[in-house]
Amino acid sequence: EPEVTQTPSHQVTQMGQEVILRCVPISNHLYFYWYRQILGQKVEFLVSFYNNEISEKSEIFDDQFSVERPDGSNFTLKIRSTKLEDSAMYFCASSFTAGGSSGAYNEQFFGPGTRLTVL
Amino acid sequence: QKEVEQNSGPLSVPEGAIASLNCTYSDRVSQSFFWYRQYSGKSPELIMSIYSNGDKEDGRFTAQLNKASQYVSLLIRDSQPSDSATYLCAVRRKANTGKLIFGQGTTLQVKP
Repeated sequence: EPEVTQTPSHQVTQMGQEVILRCVPISNHLYFYWYRQILGQKVEFLVSFYNNEISEKSEIFDDQFSVERPDGSNFTLKIRSTKLEDSAMYFCASSFTAGGSSGAYNEQFFGPGTRLTVL
Repeated sequence: QKEVEQNSGPLSVPEGAIASLNCTYSDRVSQSFFWYRQYSGKSPELIMSIYSNGDKEDGRFTAQLNKASQYVSLLIRDSQPSDSATYLCAVRRKANTGKLIFGQGTTLQVKP
């Protein structure tokens, strides 16, 4: 069964360093997302991406964050200058569509996550 | 008012019982509703999606949606210890945006 994959599973970095989190969405999906979950808190939306553009971003997704689809399979989240409060699980998700109709095409499937620890 | 609200629990039920998990949402124009299961330290796993009022059944799971009351629920029949997890309610407010808004989650404990 197709699944979303993410690398690395755990990333430790020093405050102020840049990190790149990588994701391979499900192959026929068109919409890609990043969410994060700080330990003990709820899952929070960061950004959605479609047709090589950001379609929506949250207030959390400030100038230190960027996303890219560098090739036909990978989807990356870059954090330019990490802060202590960026420590969290980062989940990539993908879906075939993003709304406008009901059905399984809208369903988002999550990858296993990358645990980011900023020291 | 929280956008998506769930009782954090824990909800404890005996094995074989029905577990009932509830979720309310604040934005009346919300269109799509999802239940995810999250085991400790793992990622959310999709269980059910529901888009129109009424019930939707899939195996031991039934999702119920009442848009007038802004309420969505998940019933788990014949609960098993392996169902012990945190259940996340997620809502998508607008068409053509994939953004999901999650509740805090309800922790379910199924006791053998």
